[in-house]
Amino acid sequence: DTAVSQTPKYLVTQMGNDKSIKCEQNLGHDTMYWYKQDSKKFLKIMFSYNNKELIINETVPNRFSPKSPDKAHLNLHINSLELGDSAVYFCASSQDPDGELFFGEGSRLTVL
Amino acid sequence: GENVEQHPSTLSVQEGDSAVIKCTYSDSASNYFPWYKQELGKGPQLIIDIRSNVGEKKDQRIAVTLNKTAKHFSLHITETQPEDSAVYFCARRALGRNNRLAFGKGNQVVVIP
Repeated sequence: DTAVSQTPKYLVTQMGNDKSIKCEQNLGHDTMYWYKQDSKKFLKIMFSYNNKELIINETVPNRFSPKSPDKAHLNLHINSLELGDSAVYFCASSQDPDGELFFGEGSRLTVL
Repeated sequence: GENVEQHPSTLSVQEGDSAVIKCTYSDSASNYFPWYKQELGKGPQLIIDIRSNVGEKKDQRIAVTLNKTAKHFSLHITETQPEDSAVYFCARRALGRNNRLAFGKGNQVVVIP
């Protein structure tokens, strides 16, 4: 019974391709997030949705587009992948924007 | 700003000894300070948190202390065990809707058996 699940766990692709990472939470939370963790382990927030409404949109290239079809899902689509996009992407959820974050296990993206 | 500095970046301790990680912040509006533990190949997980109205909080072998005047907070792990080896992240958030949680850069803690 995984609380926050994201797929795929590993993704290897060529520069210029478009890829998506999916995330689902079964905790009944209202808020969901995407974080990027680089090779130095730095965790940086990218987006946050609360009840399907975008509430945090950090300075990320517009090649990154989040989509929240419902409260339980937050997907991340990346166009025209670049080498610098290689990282581990974590989905997370919380009861509300002030609550404890529950992270998924991460999706390791490698761009060749 | 909303950054939080974390020291040291790597900490090695003998099993059974204590480990202390310190974080400093600059935004005096910060009022919530959690610590997350990330084991290899997993996502970070909350292990303890503290709000600005208290100075210390304990949960078994872990404790967090907060000094609001000096703007720093620390994680203390006593009687360290090999399973404590992980990356630890401090974070802070200010009051107000949609104020994001800002993470430190993480500390790699290695417990040597």
